[in-house]
Amino acid sequence: RKEVEQDPGPFNVPEGATVAFNCTYSNSASQSFFWYRQDCRKEPKLLMSVYSSGNEDGRFTAQLNRASQYISLLIRDSKLSDSATYLCVVNIRKVNDYKLSFGAGTTVTVRA
Amino acid sequence: SAVISQKPSRDICQRGTSLTIQCQVDSQVTMMFWYRQQPGQSLTLIATANQGSEATYESGFVIDKFPISRPNLTFSTLTVSNMSPEDSSIYLCSVADSDTQYFGPGTRLTVL
Repeated sequence: RKEVEQDPGPFNVPEGATVAFNCTYSNSASQSFFWYRQDCRKEPKLLMSVYSSGNEDGRFTAQLNRASQYISLLIRDSKLSDSATYLCVVNIRKVNDYKLSFGAGTTVTVRA
Repeated sequence: SAVISQKPSRDICQRGTSLTIQCQVDSQVTMMFWYRQQPGQSLTLIATANQGSEATYESGFVIDKFPISRPNLTFSTLTVSNMSPEDSSIYLCSVADSDTQYFGPGTRLTVL
């Protein structure tokens, strides 16, 4: 079983729509969670960290469910510029160690 | 966040040759990492570059194939040795800042 699994999509939505997708992680000891955004032929860039209580950054809302071991991302009022691949990232922090596990990404395409 | 640069940005190489990729950070960082992203896939950690000691390699990656140097806290190199077409990939340098990782722009390698 992969450490981090995502629905690859693609999610094809019209401008202004709301789109949401999840990711699941296998290691219950995981400590930190993130969503990264990767545009075509570019490096991943941090979109937002995900906190236990859930957090919001503008049109983006992230939720963490530790009991069920999943993380979600919701994008409201989609813009054309939101078209990208969204990577779910989990940090398994151990003593003297630091390792991120990446999901394969969820592709979102926002159309005019 | 740290500003990370990589050289070269891309290269086309013949099989059997080696390529050294450089990663420069604009500030001192404790932890630097090297990742590989093969076409259509997510990121895979190759190794953690440790300053003043040997790199720590992930399962499936060995020092003879991917030697790494880390002479100081702002610089690291990754060498892809005795290349084959299967090594064609994007190689990304990353640094950790507290709980978050930031990525360089990547080196796109094509092996013929």
